[in-house]
Amino acid sequence: QTVVTQEPSFSVSPGGTVTLTCGLSSGSVSSSYYPSWYQQTPGQAPRTLIYSTNTRSFGVPDRFSGSILGNKAALTITGAQADDESNYYCVLYMGSDINWVFGGGTKLTVL
Amino acid sequence: EVQLVESGGGLVQPGGSLRLSCAASGFTFSGHWMHWVRQAPGKGLVWVSHIYTDGSATTYADSVKGRFTISRDNAKNTLYLQMNSLRAEDTAVYYCARGSGLGFHDWGQGTLVTVSS
Repeated sequence: QTVVTQEPSFSVSPGGTVTLTCGLSSGSVSSSYYPSWYQQTPGQAPRTLIYSTNTRSFGVPDRFSGSILGNKAALTITGAQADDESNYYCVLYMGSDINWVFGGGTKLTVL
Repeated sequence: EVQLVESGGGLVQPGGSLRLSCAASGFTFSGHWMHWVRQAPGKGLVWVSHIYTDGSATTYADSVKGRFTISRDNAKNTLYLQMNSLRAEDTAVYYCARGSGLGFHDWGQGTLVTVSS
């Protein structure tokens, strides 16, 4: 079974930089998986941050960037702000048999 | 402005059926893949189903295959999800999402489906 892995939780200081990752239980993530990233606060719909590895969605500040780091997809937040405190989900396109698989999400705390 | 508005959620008994709708506006609906994604209470996001621009192809997560049917009416700018043989584990907020770059670009506010006797 394909499992997409994310750190369950992470903390960052205000103004700091944090990199969240998105991996596979078996194998490496590449741009061929079209990794994308979503921010969600409790009770709200997800908000698209990044798609196709590193394309920012309209209106997303350039503090958010996507990349491939080693064998994982990565979301880097620079200059962290209090309202960045959210859950962050990645999703990978696994091909026409398995389709899209979300990671379990990372709860980011800014303190 | 892109808008996706889901409706049709509610309380249904196990084994029952429900049809969700997603009314789209602010973009060329017929030009985009569309998806359903769900989120059980307190849990993460799970992709459910997707449909091509013209409805010619559909895909499903294994957990709903054979029970759920995705469809669209491009003349009405509306996406649907017919859910049959509902189970307690189908209880979730269901979001429709516009596809882009093999990801999800815009999201609706979601509609809650509760399967319980």
